[in-house]
Amino acid sequence: EAGVAQSPRYKIIEKRQSVAFWCNPISGHATLYWYQQILGQGPKLLIQFQNNGVVDDSQLPKDRFSAERLKGVDSTLKIQPAKLEDSAVYLCASSLGGTGGNTGELFFGEGSRLTVL
Amino acid sequence: AQSVTQPDIHITVSEGASLELRCNYSYGATPYLFWYVQSPGQGLQLLLKYFSGDTLVQGIKGFEAEFERSQSSFNLRKPSVHWSDAAEYFCAVWGSGTYKYIFGTGTRLKVLA
Repeated sequence: EAGVAQSPRYKIIEKRQSVAFWCNPISGHATLYWYQQILGQGPKLLIQFQNNGVVDDSQLPKDRFSAERLKGVDSTLKIQPAKLEDSAVYLCASSLGGTGGNTGELFFGEGSRLTVL
Repeated sequence: AQSVTQPDIHITVSEGASLELRCNYSYGATPYLFWYVQSPGQGLQLLLKYFSGDTLVQGIKGFEAEFERSQSSFNLRKPSVHWSDAAEYFCAVWGSGTYKYIFGTGTRLKVLA
């Protein structure tokens, strides 16, 4: 079974530029998460999708971050314009999910490391 | 509010020694608790989880954890650490009322040969 795929693995940009990350979850997984992991910290939830609907985006900086999962499968996270403090690893995770929420294991991709200069 | 605290940022143990990583949670009802491990440059991998039932749960790689409701804790243990266990360990809680999956700040484990 293929795991969670993320690209690109590494990205270096200058502040005020834009960047997009892509995630393809495990086939059949209804719930998709984007986490931001700053060096030395735990993953912080940015947005959670259930199929193509948003369950939680309370910690997403909506003035610069956006995410979509149009067909309920793969997802894109965009940052525009980037700031220095956005330097982090962006982790995508998926789970089986289902109605009423998810109680099971999260499967993580290897992450996309962003460096903003 | 739902939260997870891992009080130890770094822990160093000698190979073959026992290990305990601490995790305390805050949640109003019975939580769903998890331990994940992250090797450098990798995503997180599930070690074990607690939903209900037996409070001592067994996981992969010889790890176990005990849910103690009175202490609001879910500490991870291993009787004998191997050099390959060096990694960062994260405790997480999922709330059935909030549907949020919250991670602690992590404990970085160093293993001395």
